[in-house]
Amino acid sequence: QSALTQPRSVSGSPGQSVTISCTGTSSDVGGYNYVSWYQQHPGKAPRRMIYDVNKRPSGVPDRFSGSKSGNTASLTISGLQAEDEADYYCCSYAGSYTWVFGGGTKLIVL
Amino acid sequence: QVQLVQSGAEVKKPGASAKVSCKASGYSFTTYAIHWVRQAPGQRLEWMGWINVGSGNTKSSQKFQGRVTITRDTSASTVNMELSSLRSEDTAVYYCAIEITNWFDPWGQGTLVTVSS
Repeated sequence: QSALTQPRSVSGSPGQSVTISCTGTSSDVGGYNYVSWYQQHPGKAPRRMIYDVNKRPSGVPDRFSGSKSGNTASLTISGLQAEDEADYYCCSYAGSYTWVFGGGTKLIVL
Repeated sequence: QVQLVQSGAEVKKPGASAKVSCKASGYSFTTYAIHWVRQAPGQRLEWMGWINVGSGNTKSSQKFQGRVTITRDTSASTVNMELSSLRSEDTAVYYCAIEITNWFDPWGQGTLVTVSS
């Protein structure tokens, strides 16, 4: 069960938009609408930002949105703010009651 | 509110076992599954396995099969994760997290397990 593929880092200036990709296979990302995204600040536990590909829980700013096409899911953050600088991980259900995380992406706010 | 509180940091020697506990509160304990995820220093999140708290059934990642044991104590609203035959590569922060239909929230605060001779 290989990790989902994410870019190691992305960057953007305050106010800009960035998109983080998460590529898997038809056995995980492409096979189920169960992709979630987590934000992790240094030394902290992950925080759920998006679930079921594009659903946003209460308390998460509407600047965060998710989508999926084929075997690739994406997290888009618009109107970047300094506090968005963190690591972001995608996660997908992978069948047979197993889950797989991505390699993580460091978001740098310039 | 729904909360998971984990046991404290541990230092173990290679070959030993580590047991991390995760105490749930704020909800009916058997309602949700609990998963274990680890993160080695500077590395990615890695899914380890989960337990159906109601039935006690478990499933673990192939990577950890035979080394990880996940159990629950319903009387104490606690899930335990034991990892055996520890090696230096198992040094990591171990998290428990509630699963709500294929996503994880909330998470415990994490427990650092250090494997060192």
